[in-house]
Amino acid sequence: DTGVSQDPRHKITKRGQNVTFRCDPISEHNRLYWYRQTLGQGPEFLTYFQNEAQLEKSRLLSDRFSAERPKGSFSTLEIQRTEQGDSAMYLCASSYSPAGEQFFGPGTRLTVL
Amino acid sequence: QKEVEQNSGPLSVPEGAIASLNCTYSDRGSQSFFWYRQYSGKSPELIMFIYSNGDKEDGRFTAQLNKASQYVSLLIRDSQPSDSATYLCAAGPYTNAGKSTFGDGTTLTVKP
Repeated sequence: DTGVSQDPRHKITKRGQNVTFRCDPISEHNRLYWYRQTLGQGPEFLTYFQNEAQLEKSRLLSDRFSAERPKGSFSTLEIQRTEQGDSAMYLCASSYSPAGEQFFGPGTRLTVL
Repeated sequence: QKEVEQNSGPLSVPEGAIASLNCTYSDRGSQSFFWYRQYSGKSPELIMFIYSNGDKEDGRFTAQLNKASQYVSLLIRDSQPSDSATYLCAAGPYTNAGKSTFGDGTTLTVKP
């Protein structure tokens, strides 16, 4: 499978715990995006990398969220001190074309108890 | 007001009919537009993208863009029950970049 992969697919955690998600983009794609989606809503932009540089981060994103993309390959998204409001599907997408079409991974569903 | 607006639906059409999905956007700087299909519990799947005013056809799908009216649409011809899904419209600021801003989607049901 040469698509975008995400791990884990499901994560259940208790409030206050830290969680980390991983995304492996399509191999030739230099852009990588993180989105969050809740039921009935469209994906909400979190952050964006071009190669290893984090070029944009949503103003809505609290300091509890951090993302990295070392060496411009896979990326990790960490949420510290999780809150119940963090429960959502976390989507990763990658892109190569200058036109910006993004291809999504299967997502990580986070449940914070 | 959301930057990308879609009618949430549900939109119901009979099998074989044309389904018309609409989207408006508020940022005149938006240059690239995308339609994604999302089945329940799954991640979005890119269907089409359009950058220039006018129509773009791909199989049973036609995307239409009118930048003056800030309006994007997706037509699905010969609708099939397998087309039943939520359709997300997204707008990007310009080519060579950046994030896409998504609408909340329109739920389409195609009845056999």
